[in-house]
Amino acid sequence: QSALTQPASVSGAPGQSITISCTGTSSDVGAYDYVSWYQQHPGKAPKLMISEVTNRPSGISTRFSGSKSGNTASLTISGLQAEDEADYYCSSYGSSITYVFGTGTKVTVL
Amino acid sequence: EVQLVESGGGLVQPGGSLRLSCAASGFTFDTYWLTWLRQTPGKGLEWVANINAHGSAKHYVNSVEGRFTISRDNAKTSLYLQMDSLRPEDTAVYYCATHYNWAFDYWGQGTLVIVSS
Repeated sequence: QSALTQPASVSGAPGQSITISCTGTSSDVGAYDYVSWYQQHPGKAPKLMISEVTNRPSGISTRFSGSKSGNTASLTISGLQAEDEADYYCSSYGSSITYVFGTGTKVTVL
Repeated sequence: EVQLVESGGGLVQPGGSLRLSCAASGFTFDTYWLTWLRQTPGKGLEWVANINAHGSAKHYVNSVEGRFTISRDNAKTSLYLQMDSLRPEDTAVYYCATHYNWAFDYWGQGTLVIVSS
């Protein structure tokens, strides 16, 4: 399976909203509502932010939301804060009981 | 509090073997699927293998099939990854993670594996 496609970087000013896209195929993102998103700060392990396209785990800010249309999933961060500056990765369940990750997006808070 | 602590990484020559361990605590270990993932600067994050709660079902990414073996010991609340026939492209930080609702909800801090002569 090929990696899911994400923009290399996205930036926004504090308080603004940004959206990160994650494009796959009809065999992964388009086939299942099993897209998850992860935040990773430098030198740290990834942290689950969204599961099953739209679900926020306990303790995750409501400023983070997920959606999906066709073969593309999206993560929106509203009310951007300095602490949101990090790398973000999407992941999707795919065929043959495997998982594929996105290429990663660096979010910069201006 | 969920804790996952990986160990066993290090420098190994191509063709060599390593066994990674992941010590878990803070959750009902024998009810969770578990996963190994890895991360390299060049290829990003990659799912490597997972195992069901009882160890009876295992799945691998194509690139490690036949070389890596995932296993668990529920009595010791530990997860393992036996890595044989290692290649330079297996160089990465390896993470263990819990696996719930098609996502990876808790991660360890990772252990670095370097395959080089």
